[in-house]
Amino acid sequence: AQSVTQLDSQVPVFEEAPVELRCNYSSSVSVYLFWYVQYPNQGLQLLLKYLSGSTLVKGINGFEAEFNKSQTSFHLRKPSVHISDTAEYFCAMDNTDKLIFGTGTRLQVFP
Amino acid sequence: DSGVTQTPKHLITATGQRVTLRCSPRSGDLSVYWYQQSLDQGLQFLIQYYNGEERAKGNILERFSAQQFPDLHSELNLSSLELGDSALYFCASSVHQGNTEAFFGQGTRLTVV
Repeated sequence: AQSVTQLDSQVPVFEEAPVELRCNYSSSVSVYLFWYVQYPNQGLQLLLKYLSGSTLVKGINGFEAEFNKSQTSFHLRKPSVHISDTAEYFCAMDNTDKLIFGTGTRLQVFP
Repeated sequence: DSGVTQTPKHLITATGQRVTLRCSPRSGDLSVYWYQQSLDQGLQFLIQYYNGEERAKGNILERFSAQQFPDLHSELNLSSLELGDSALYFCASSVHQGNTEAFFGQGTRLTVV
């Protein structure tokens, strides 16, 4: 069965430090992968997506992610975080008719 | 602003009642998806409509139903509400049937008391 696993439920980090949010997926077929961000009391906003081609995907707000087929991973990275990056981040996989979401990672950026 | 509009933003109702959540997709989008976000279940897919027709069903209870109208807006009907139905309900839309470019609304927070 297809699934998405986010390995960390919470990631605390100081402002201007780098951060990596981990995501692993399980699928027997080719996948489309996404990262969404949810700010408090907001909907989900698409950060970036991998459909095909280059394995390094750049998104909005300085985030990027690397698709690694051999490790079935799609980790999200940012070289220097801001206080405003504090939010819940969801990794998701396209399953043709729906998105399968991970359980989310709460990124807390401290001054 | 994603362009997807959900109303109402908040809803408080009693157990046993029925409510209707409304979603207006982005202009030009033919697909509408409904998701439920709860603390214990996370984000779960409920149902998808494409151009008025049901295309996929997920973990949607029999007490819940949805439809997409000719003007492409969609409604999610929740009946015989239970405390456990309290959640954030999201609508998303995309041009095609796939999810490669799905845009989410801000959600309707349902509280059942």
